[in-house]
Amino acid sequence: GQQLNQSPQSMFIQEGEDVSMNCTSSSIFNTWLWYKQDPGEGPVLLIALYKAGELTSNGRLTAQFGITRKDSFLNISASIPSDVGIYFCAGHRSEGGGADGLTFGKGTHLIIQP
Amino acid sequence: NAGVTQTPKFRILKIGQSMTLQCAQDMNHNYMYWYRQDPGMGLKLIYYSVGAGITDKGEVPNGYNVSRSTTEDFPLRLELAAPSQTSVYFCASSPTGSSYNSPLHFGNGTRLTVT
Repeated sequence: GQQLNQSPQSMFIQEGEDVSMNCTSSSIFNTWLWYKQDPGEGPVLLIALYKAGELTSNGRLTAQFGITRKDSFLNISASIPSDVGIYFCAGHRSEGGGADGLTFGKGTHLIIQP
Repeated sequence: NAGVTQTPKFRILKIGQSMTLQCAQDMNHNYMYWYRQDPGMGLKLIYYSVGAGITDKGEVPNGYNVSRSTTEDFPLRLELAAPSQTSVYFCASSPTGSSYNSPLHFGNGTRLTVT
């Protein structure tokens, strides 16, 4: 099946640091989505990207849809304790396709050290 | 606004037992989904539904069944529980089937252990 390689698997950072994570694929994707999952809860959509090269921000979060359509990154600036959680990338290969065709990465576990 | 509600939150089953995971949404979404999440893995689609009376298999449907008699409810049935079904199960819904401006809304999950 389709594979999304998400890295890093986990990150240990100090409060206030910037964070960067990415997803890559050997296949072209037409949609890239970034979700965050807090402990004991379901994933929540952070940012959606629909065009190659698109750069979108949501507060301290910035995500980009790679020009090759095979990658995406998510940056978090000036991390705060509530940023702790698991971040998932997800992509869809078919343009306008539904969630039945979504592929999820394995997640990046963000941990903030005191 | 409740969104997507899953019950129970936790359950322990013995091998061979059966159970139904409940999922209800109050957003009048046509599309509903069941995912499983295993440690260190992404979400895998089990079954989905595009509307009342219509269901389709996802990536990992074996050992599960679903029904969609109403727009609001999408229960997931395990008939003969196996240890491989130990996982966290998430139900989700979306207004349409398109990935454009139709994000998934997830419930808070059901943690199932089969021993």
